[in-house]
Amino acid sequence: QVQLVQSGAEVKKPGASVKVSCKASGYTFNSYGINWVRQAPGQGLEWMGWISTYNGNTKYAQKVQGRVTMTTDTSTTTAYMELRSLRSDDTAIYYCARDFSSGSYGYWGQGSLVTVSS
Amino acid sequence: EIVLTQSPGTLSLSPGERATLSCRASQSLSSSFLAWYQQKPGQAPRLLIYGASNRATGIPDRFSGSGSGTDFTLTISRLEPEDFAVYYCQQYGSSSTFGPGTKVDIK
Repeated sequence: QVQLVQSGAEVKKPGASVKVSCKASGYTFNSYGINWVRQAPGQGLEWMGWISTYNGNTKYAQKVQGRVTMTTDTSTTTAYMELRSLRSDDTAIYYCARDFSSGSYGYWGQGSLVTVSS
Repeated sequence: EIVLTQSPGTLSLSPGERATLSCRASQSLSSSFLAWYQQKPGQAPRLLIYGASNRATGIPDRFSGSGSGTDFTLTISRLEPEDFAVYYCQQYGSSSTFGPGTKVDIK
């Protein structure tokens, strides 16, 4: 069965960086892209970007462009999302989600809480 | 960027009633790249509908999606107790965006 298992919660200070991992299993890793979606406390869902697990191509949302880098390691079937220059409004649960069909996300990780606080 | 607007913000209904949720896009969506998700507290979102009208694997047939262009609808024919949750629409064009969500709560 398809599983996406994410790294644990992190607490970071403003200005620091965080790198969240997403370990995929149960399917051919380089056949489906991985998206990153975040959710601030009590708020809605915000798409951050997408990475092709086939060739590493990326698309980033304008809001985080320049601060985010998405990568993959095909040898360990793991996707990573690094966010730099953290601010308090980056406090959120960060989800990885696998492409499904017609641009939808059929499988989600359990989420990783990132708290940015001085 | 395509903006999605969902209405109503909150829908208060009783079990067994019909729920109709709306999602409107600021531009026409190509090839109906519109999906619906359900999210319960403390859980990741779950895909319900993709391609505007296709149910995802394991989704009960009381959930249905319709629409094209800029106007889309998620219908829950008869609400079950487990259906009370927040529902988001999502579009994928050159990038992706989510609507703000509709909360379906118990009347």
